[in-house]
Amino acid sequence: NAGVMQNPRHLVRRRGQEARLRCSPMKGHSHVYWYRQLPEEGLKFMVYLQKENIIDESGMPKERFSAEFPKEGPSILRIQQVVRGDSAAYFCASSLDPGSYEQYFGPGTRLTVT
Amino acid sequence: AQSVTQLDSHVSVSEGTPVLLRCNYSSSYSPSLFWYVQHPNKGLQLLLKYTSAATLVKGINGFEAEFKKSETSFHLTKPSAHMSDAAEYFCVVRAAGGTSYGKLTFGQGTILTVHP
Repeated sequence: NAGVMQNPRHLVRRRGQEARLRCSPMKGHSHVYWYRQLPEEGLKFMVYLQKENIIDESGMPKERFSAEFPKEGPSILRIQQVVRGDSAAYFCASSLDPGSYEQYFGPGTRLTVT
Repeated sequence: AQSVTQLDSHVSVSEGTPVLLRCNYSSSYSPSLFWYVQHPNKGLQLLLKYTSAATLVKGINGFEAEFKKSETSFHLTKPSAHMSDAAEYFCVVRAAGGTSYGKLTFGQGTILTVHP
């Protein structure tokens, strides 16, 4: 059973471009979480999704950020018009049932905005 | 609301000596608590978890943690440090209900350095 997969592992974007980060959860997991780790900081919750539904997006910046988890395919975190402050490591985690089981983390995507 | 406070941002030990990483939590209900480890430029690996069963929890690589409700603490220990233990450690609390179901709240992290 493959673990949580994220791609790309490293992404470089110029200011103003769009960044698309992908997350494939573990097989059988329908709960996906995105977290952001800014330099010198811990991880901060961004969004919680189930298939085709956003359950909690209280940690998402109000503008330029969006997330989806379609019926088929990976979860996508999209950042439009990136700025230098978006440079961070973005981690995806999946769970079978987050109230009862642990979350398994992917290796992360390290976004650098130049 | 819930939160965790890791009391030390950096801990330095010598190889073969005990490790203690301190964590205090705040939660309005019986919490689920975790310790994760992150090696440089890597993802997070679960070390151990407490989910209201035994208060002394054993994890991987010789780590263990004790849940103390009276002290609202969940400190991580290991009897003898190994060079490979050098990493950043995160104490984490999990939300139990509402729309935040399953959401993890991370402490600021403790960087463990192990000297030969």
